[in-house]
Amino acid sequence: DGGITQSPKYLFRKEGQNVTLSCEQNLNHDAMYWYRQDPGQGLRLIYYSQIVNDFQKGDIAEGYSVSREKKESFPLTVTSAQKNPTAFYLCASSPGSGRSFGPGTRLTVL
Amino acid sequence: QKEVEQNSGPLSVPEGAIASLNCTYSDRGSQSFFWYRQYSGKSPELIMSIYSNGDKEDGRFTAQLNKASQYVSLLIRDSQPSDSATYLCAVNDGGSQGNLIFGKGTKLSVKP
Repeated sequence: DGGITQSPKYLFRKEGQNVTLSCEQNLNHDAMYWYRQDPGQGLRLIYYSQIVNDFQKGDIAEGYSVSREKKESFPLTVTSAQKNPTAFYLCASSPGSGRSFGPGTRLTVL
Repeated sequence: QKEVEQNSGPLSVPEGAIASLNCTYSDRGSQSFFWYRQYSGKSPELIMSIYSNGDKEDGRFTAQLNKASQYVSLLIRDSQPSDSATYLCAVNDGGSQGNLIFGKGTKLSVKP
């Protein structure tokens, strides 16, 4: 089955802690994306990568970092510099202009 | 600032009725338009894409695009309670390769 997996489903972070959200896809898509969704809000782009070993900042990249060492994987690190990280994080991939989304990770700051 | 605007709702329709969801966008360079359905606590799933002016039908769903008016809509015929969800409109950013701009979504409630 082709698809996108994200782990963990729920994540709790203490103040000052860095955490990493996993995203893996077996759709053979070149492009991958990270979005953040807050209640009642649309999806906001954090980072995206069009090709391995290359990525660009989206609209709200501050406090986040990514890597793209493999085509299948695009992990997102939420650093302690991100002051309000509680949100629903969605990873997506794309062969073109549409998006296929993973199931999401819900991050809560304790 | 490129924007996609949707009425947040909630839009409430009776079962069997037509639900009409609307979206306007600011970027005249946009060429690709998408509707996603998002159930509470779940991730969005693509239900319609449209690239040319006019109507595109897929089952009970019809997407309508008017680029001159910068307007895209989604009609759901014979609405079912299972259609109750938030519907996100997304438009490609004409100036940024591959980027999509999402609206905040319209919450639809279909009453039995």
